[in-house]
Amino acid sequence: AQSVTQLGSHVSVSEGALVLLRCNYSSSVPPYLFWYVQYPNQGLQLLLKYTTGATLVKGINGFEAEFKKSETSFHLTKPSAHMSDAAEYFCAVTLFSGGYNKLIFGAGTRLAVHP
Amino acid sequence: DTGVSQDPRHKITKRGQNVTFRCDPISEHNRLYWYRQTLGQGPEFLTYFQNEAQLEKSRLLSDRFSAERPKGSFSTLEIQRTEQGDSAMYLCASSSPGTGSGNTIYFGEGSWLTVV
Repeated sequence: AQSVTQLGSHVSVSEGALVLLRCNYSSSVPPYLFWYVQYPNQGLQLLLKYTTGATLVKGINGFEAEFKKSETSFHLTKPSAHMSDAAEYFCAVTLFSGGYNKLIFGAGTRLAVHP
Repeated sequence: DTGVSQDPRHKITKRGQNVTFRCDPISEHNRLYWYRQTLGQGPEFLTYFQNEAQLEKSRLLSDRFSAERPKGSFSTLEIQRTEQGDSAMYLCASSSPGTGSGNTIYFGEGSWLTVV
């Protein structure tokens, strides 16, 4: 069965510092992996996704993630944090069965950015 | 291209009352999902529609919950005899037709339910 584990429910960084949010997955088939961001009182917005091909995926707002099969990881990074990056981030894996897909989410990591 | 629209955005209800949420997916998206998100947790899958057919219901969806998508366009999620444990954000999402599990699933802003 597919599952996702996000290490660290809260991460705090200084403005301008590297952002690293960790995600490990479990999947019995080659996974499709996603990162979503959720700002307060809002829905989820797709940051980036990995399906096939290049393992380093670039997304919006300067974020990127690297799929590492050997480590079953899909960590999210950004070289320099902005105050506007403060939000909750969710990693998700696709469960595809019966001809359709659905997302299985991790518990989320809340990112705080301080001056 | 408008996104997924949900209504109402916030609902406060007394325990035991019925509530209904509406979701309008992105036009031409035949796949529609409902998720529930409680504080400090990731979204949890509730149910899935392909066109008007409800193809999957999670065990989280008790008998008090019912979802419909009568014409394969908008969907409603009704909760009968609400309980305090139903307090959560209910997220609707949609995706386009097609094979493969890489289709992006787009989420709405969510409907917050508070049961008092």
